[in-house]
Amino acid sequence: SQTIHQWPATLVQPVGSPLSLECTVEGTSNPNLYWYRQAAGRGLQLLFYSVGIGQISSEVPQNLSASRPQDRQFILSSKKLLLSDSGFYLCAWSLSANYGYTFGSGTRLTVV
Amino acid sequence: KNEVEQSPQNLTAQEGEFITINCSYSVGISALHWLQQHPGGGIVSLFMLSSGKKKHGRLIATINIQEKHSSLHITASHPRDSAVYICAVRRAMNYGGSQGNLIFGKGTKLSVKP
Repeated sequence: SQTIHQWPATLVQPVGSPLSLECTVEGTSNPNLYWYRQAAGRGLQLLFYSVGIGQISSEVPQNLSASRPQDRQFILSSKKLLLSDSGFYLCAWSLSANYGYTFGSGTRLTVV
Repeated sequence: KNEVEQSPQNLTAQEGEFITINCSYSVGISALHWLQQHPGGGIVSLFMLSSGKKKHGRLIATINIQEKHSSLHITASHPRDSAVYICAVRRAMNYGGSQGNLIFGKGTKLSVKP
């Protein structure tokens, strides 16, 4: 069966520190992968998506970057965190535009 | 104006009540999703609809493409149904859609009291 793993579950980081959040998918090949952010009191916002290894599309300009070094691995990074990067980050996958989404359990990031 | 609007924002119900959450959108879509987010934050996909009606247990989702409107119904509500319910639409390709283009509503927070 297909599963998605996202870690860590919670993270408290000082301003200016680097960030690396990892997401891996099991049980499927060549998934579309997504990173979303949910800021306090706001809806989910797409940050990045990837349709294949090394292929990253960014939806919003920001302090973050994403990479897909392997087919089922999606990493969200920052070189220097800002206070405004605080939020709830969700990874998700889908097979294609016509399929449903499966979401990870999320990472709650607090930048202090 | 947001492209996806949900109502109500907050909903409190007594156990056993029939619940309706509404979603209206203003863009052409290829699919609409209903998601459930529990207090811990994890999100579960409930339905993906492109037409008509789907049912899963006590949950029913309907969509009217012409009216650009969808409803999520919960029959015989239970305290374990308490969660945030999120409507999301995938913009159709001829409306600027892409592989990643899901537009989310802000969610409806449901609290079911025993």
